[in-house]
Amino acid sequence: DAMVIQNPRYQVTQFGKPVTLSCSQTLNHNVMYWYQQKSSQAPKLLFHYYDKDFNNEADTPDNFQSRRPNTSFCFLDIRSPGLGDAAMYLCATSRGGGLETQYFGPGTRLLVL
Amino acid sequence: TQLLEQSPQFLSIQEGENLTVYCNSSSVFSSLQWYRQEPGEGPVLLVTVVTGGEVKKLKRLTFQFGDARKDSSLHITAAQPGDTGLYLCAGCYGGSQGNLIFGKGTKLSVKP
Repeated sequence: DAMVIQNPRYQVTQFGKPVTLSCSQTLNHNVMYWYQQKSSQAPKLLFHYYDKDFNNEADTPDNFQSRRPNTSFCFLDIRSPGLGDAAMYLCATSRGGGLETQYFGPGTRLLVL
Repeated sequence: TQLLEQSPQFLSIQEGENLTVYCNSSSVFSSLQWYRQEPGEGPVLLVTVVTGGEVKKLKRLTFQFGDARKDSSLHITAAQPGDTGLYLCAGCYGGSQGNLIFGKGTKLSVKP
């Protein structure tokens, strides 16, 4: 059974049109992460939630926002997508940070036209 | 700033050959994870190593964590076409958040 679920798997949006990607988890993990991965590159952490506490990476553009309404769900909002935002967006969870292993979802591939 | 150097970046070999992928850092990690990622999919965890000097085996894959917990290696014996994919190492430097530092990945292609 899928433990970290991302919908949709593929998303097409227009330049400047807001888009929301979603992630849900059945693991009851405390921490949820959002990564951006461009072609042939390693995943780059955008931000994460430890429970309700939001932690933004210093170099994450303001264009990217996140919401975590409850333990199971986390959303990535891109307010005004640019062509450079086309990428695979990966959601991951871990039980509690520290030594905890991160479990990744299948990703959402975003295409910006 | 912690960095994790992963090598080689690309590797193309014939079925049956052995290979080793390396991850090196000047920083000490509390744990290190190896993932395998196929095109269009998320990374899938292969193993987590925690103790310095630890060796873990997963069928034909052998993972080693350096004694000083600054480096790790992945060795694949008798590679098969099904091993093709992107192999990522990721170091955790602890703390309450458990953020990972990813290597750039090794793109492995195993030809029949």
